[in-house]
Amino acid sequence: GNSVTQMEGPVTLSEEAFLTINCTYTATGYPSLFWYVQYPGEGLQLLLKATKADDKGSNKGFEATYRKETTSFHLEKGSVQVSDSAVYFCALRGGGNYQLIWGAGTKLIIKP
Amino acid sequence: ETGVTQSPTHLIKTRGQQVTLRCSSQSGHNTVSWYQQALGQGPQFIFQYYREEENGRGNFPPRFSGLQFPNYSSELNVNALELDDSALYLCASSLVEVPGEAFFGQGTRLTVV
Repeated sequence: GNSVTQMEGPVTLSEEAFLTINCTYTATGYPSLFWYVQYPGEGLQLLLKATKADDKGSNKGFEATYRKETTSFHLEKGSVQVSDSAVYFCALRGGGNYQLIWGAGTKLIIKP
Repeated sequence: ETGVTQSPTHLIKTRGQQVTLRCSSQSGHNTVSWYQQALGQGPQFIFQYYREEENGRGNFPPRFSGLQFPNYSSELNVNALELDDSALYLCASSLVEVPGEAFFGQGTRLTVV
């Protein structure tokens, strides 16, 4: 079945550091891939998405590229801020299936 | 846009009881999904409703049921509560034409004792 694996957290970085959160997936066919973010005290929000191989999703300085050859969708940001502290979830939606399959989430802590 | 709102925010129930959780979808959205999120885990899909009919279901028993109303609000009902049902329950609204792009409420924290 479809599944998503994320790197375990928490990930602790200093402000302005480079961020990578790894996400790999197992799926049949050609899934769509998503990153959602959950800020403290708030609901899940869509951060970015990619719907086909080699697509790059981007938003708020975050980027992720859909790599079919490595079944990965790693989240990156060149210079993180304290306000980026949150829990980040990688998710996929398989073709013809409406449900989202989620990773366990990665907590990101940015220190000033 | 009014956002997705859920009620109540917290709830404590006794094992064996029944519970109803409510969700008001974002204006204009025609699809509502419910997820269960255990502590430290990603959300698990329970089911989805479109045009007041269930059109997708995850690996949850029949004691988890739902309703979607003409105004796109929704309910999640859980009968015969078990201790393992303790979790955060999330409602998400979306457009069936744009699958995967969901707007989430803040959730209802259910504790079964």
